[in-house]
Amino acid sequence: SQTIHQWPATLVQPVGSPLSLECTVEGTSNPNLYWYRQAAGRGLQLLFYSVGIGQISSEVPQNLSASRPQDRQFILSSKKLLLSDSGFYLCAWSAPPGQGGYGYTFGSGTRLTVV
Amino acid sequence: SQQGEEDPQALSIQEGENATMNCSYKTSINNLQWYRQNSGRGLVHLILIRSNEREKHSGRLRVTLDTSKKSSSLLITASRAADTASYFCATDGNDYKLSFGAGTTVTVRA
Repeated sequence: SQTIHQWPATLVQPVGSPLSLECTVEGTSNPNLYWYRQAAGRGLQLLFYSVGIGQISSEVPQNLSASRPQDRQFILSSKKLLLSDSGFYLCAWSAPPGQGGYGYTFGSGTRLTVV
Repeated sequence: SQQGEEDPQALSIQEGENATMNCSYKTSINNLQWYRQNSGRGLVHLILIRSNEREKHSGRLRVTLDTSKKSSSLLITASRAADTASYFCATDGNDYKLSFGAGTTVTVRA
């Protein structure tokens, strides 16, 4: 069965420090991968998505970047965190178009607090 | 960007009652999906309805879709305390990127 792992669960980082959040998927190949951010009491904002290794699309200009060094690994990074980067970050995967299995599977999220 | 908008923003019901929430969206879709999020957790996929479908059931869940009105509803029948969560609709256009609404927070009172 397919599983998705996201870590860490919580993170408190000072302003100006770097960030690296990792997400890995098991039990599937060539998944579409996504990073979302959720502000408190709000919906989800799509930050990045990837349809293959090294292929990253950014949805909003920001202080963050994403990379996909392996088929089932998706990394969210920042060189210097801002206070406004605080939030709940969620990784998700879906099957590629044409392979059925619609619907996203989400990781358990990372609560990032920038202080 | 958020395309879906859920209504109401919050809902409080007694255990055993039905809960209904609505979602409106703006552009054409391939499908519409509903997700549940327990506090501080990731989202769980509940049900997907395709643009050529009008109604779909899954256990105690019933989803309707009216593409002419660009709206959908989620009905949870015979609610339980475990149904307390936030519920999000998400629309899938032609690019396989989901756009989420702000969600409806449902509280089921024992």
